Amino acid sequence: GENVEQHPSTLSVQEGDSAVIKCTYSDSASNYFPWYKQELGKGPQLIIDIRSNVGEKKDQRIAVTLNKTAKHFSLHITETQPEDSAVYFCAASKADSSYKLIFGSGTRLLVRP
Amino acid sequence: ETGVTQTPRHLVMGMTNKKSLKCEQHLGHNAMYWYKQSAKKPLELMFVYSLEERVENNSVPSRFSPECPNSSHLFLHLHTLQPEDSALYLCASSRDSSRNIQYFGAGTRLSVL
Repeated sequence: GENVEQHPSTLSVQEGDSAVIKCTYSDSASNYFPWYKQELGKGPQLIIDIRSNVGEKKDQRIAVTLNKTAKHFSLHITETQPEDSAVYFCAASKADSSYKLIFGSGTRLLVRP
Repeated sequence: ETGVTQTPRHLVMGMTNKKSLKCEQHLGHNAMYWYKQSAKKPLELMFVYSLEERVENNSVPSRFSPECPNSSHLFLHLHTLQPEDSALYLCASSRDSSRNIQYFGAGTRLSVL
């Protein structure tokens, strides 16, 4: 079945630096790739998503890139701030079962002030 | 908040108890989901309901029994659970089962003694 691998599992950066989290998916039919942020005591919240007809998408300090050939997608956070500290999850789904999000195992990001 | 409310936030139960988790969404969505989140593991999709009909049962043991009386409410009835069932149980909703964007509640932290 579909599998999504996420790296690294933990990431520590200095405030102001950039952070990059990478995911690899196994099913080439996947066409939707969201990123969720989960803060302590809260559920995951969608922060950005990308569909397979687009290679890159930006929203202020966050961006997602997609390489369909390599089946990779990445989250980039620039000018990190302490409030960016959280667990980040990538996910993938296919058009014929779009409700079935397959999640990565998460990356714990710590932004040091 | 996200518009998805879960109660209780914390629950401790013995292996012989029967309890229920409740989820309510105020977003006018037609699809609702139960996920299990265990430490250092990807989110696991358990059940999906679309217009109050179950469309996905992801090989979940029968000691977990979902109920969706209407499109705004979702329950997870628990009985004779095992210690390995201890986890964070997350509810989510989406506009319908063909839409990928899911909105999550804060979860119920379940401990089975």
